[in-house]
Amino acid sequence: DIQMTQSPSSLSASVGDGVTITCQASQDIKHYLNWYQQQPGKAPRLLISDASSLKTGVPSRFSGSGSGTDFTLAISSLQPEDVATYYCQQYDVLPPTFGQGTKVEIK
Amino acid sequence: QVQLEESGPGLVKPSETLSLTCSVSGASVIDYYWSWIRQPPGKGLEWIGYVYYSGNTNYNPSLRSRVTISMDTSKSQFSLSLTSVTAADTAIYYCVADRGSGWSWFDPWGQGTPVIVSS
Repeated sequence: DIQMTQSPSSLSASVGDGVTITCQASQDIKHYLNWYQQQPGKAPRLLISDASSLKTGVPSRFSGSGSGTDFTLAISSLQPEDVATYYCQQYDVLPPTFGQGTKVEIK
Repeated sequence: QVQLEESGPGLVKPSETLSLTCSVSGASVIDYYWSWIRQPPGKGLEWIGYVYYSGNTNYNPSLRSRVTISMDTSKSQFSLSLTSVTAADTAIYYCVADRGSGWSWFDPWGQGTPVIVSS
């Protein structure tokens, strides 16, 4: 299986701060990378597909970049409703696998 | 707007079979692949497998020997069966839609149903 490693495991930032989460794949996955947001007590929801395509309805403060083995999820101005755990997921090779998650909190 | 709702027992005894059903509304079952994903308490996400309306399936090799996912198109439902469960199968189980290949873009998700394996 392809291993997906996220960093950091958790972070705390102030409202309005920019935040960056990285995801590294154990092998080249081209652009086959999604990002999900899981708010406390809720199911995950898709934010970004194909490494950088923002899903309709997702705020533009979220953005994704990267290809190959290194990917980034950025939040340009952290909002209280962004408190959540974020997961990356590869779909280049079966089985699809997820990162361990990055928990984002408000300072 | 696709909506998914899981149902099934919340408690299963060790060595028995876990059975869950997902009811689909707001979309035709032929337009998506249908997956199950689980999340053990406090842990990350694990893809279990998918079914297509044709009956085609694909499973995570780590669970393949114990998993069956099936579809009832007449009821717009799909089901998960996991045999010989242990405490390690305790998790929130989500049913998920995928417009891609069955293992690509998981969207949307059901609200999830918790399953505890305990005697």
